[in-house]
Amino acid sequence: DVVMTQSPLSLPVTLGQPASIFCRSSQSLVYDDGNTYLNWFQQRPGQSPRRLIYKVSNRDSGVPDRFSGSGSGTYFTLKISRVEAEDVGVYYCLQGTHWPGSFGQGTKLEIK
Amino acid sequence: QVQLQESGPKLVKPSETLSLTCTVSGGSISGYYWGWVRQPPGKGLEWVGYVYYTGDTNYIPSLESRVTISVHTSKNQFFLILSSVTAADTALYYCVKLGTGTIDFWGQGTLVTVSS
Repeated sequence: DVVMTQSPLSLPVTLGQPASIFCRSSQSLVYDDGNTYLNWFQQRPGQSPRRLIYKVSNRDSGVPDRFSGSGSGTYFTLKISRVEAEDVGVYYCLQGTHWPGSFGQGTKLEIK
Repeated sequence: QVQLQESGPKLVKPSETLSLTCTVSGGSISGYYWGWVRQPPGKGLEWVGYVYYTGDTNYIPSLESRVTISVHTSKNQFFLILSSVTAADTALYYCVKLGTGTIDFWGQGTLVTVSS
């Protein structure tokens, strides 16, 4: 199985400052069709996860443009350009290239 | 947009069977993949498995001997059955709609506790 390793696991951030979350996979996430199925999800306290980013860098409808995804192969990054109070929660990466799909451990973002 | 709603017993005794239903609204279950993801209290997310609208399934290896996911297209519902449960199966269970290599939508989740 593919192991997804996220870092950091805890991320205290000052409002208005940038934040980055990293996700490394134990093998390449490039699928046979040439796509890389790496997703990012946000789980606010008491809520279900919601997808922010799919296929590495495609932002979902309604997701603020301060969220961006990048990376390739086995190393991926979710960046928040300026953290706002509503960004508090846990962020997960999910690889969908290999079954079973695997989640990262989660990164808890909090405001300093 | 598609909405998913989990339902079923919230308390199950050890060694018994957990049964959950996911009702899909705002779209047809046909043509798509549907699945279950669980989250033990205070922990991360874990796949359980998925079903295609035709009934084809795929489960994570560690649960394969105990899990069945099925679909009822005319009712726009799909189901999770997990047998011989233990305390380790206590979790928030989410039903989800899959896309290619991704999860498009999540239900609100239902907490199932395994306890006598």
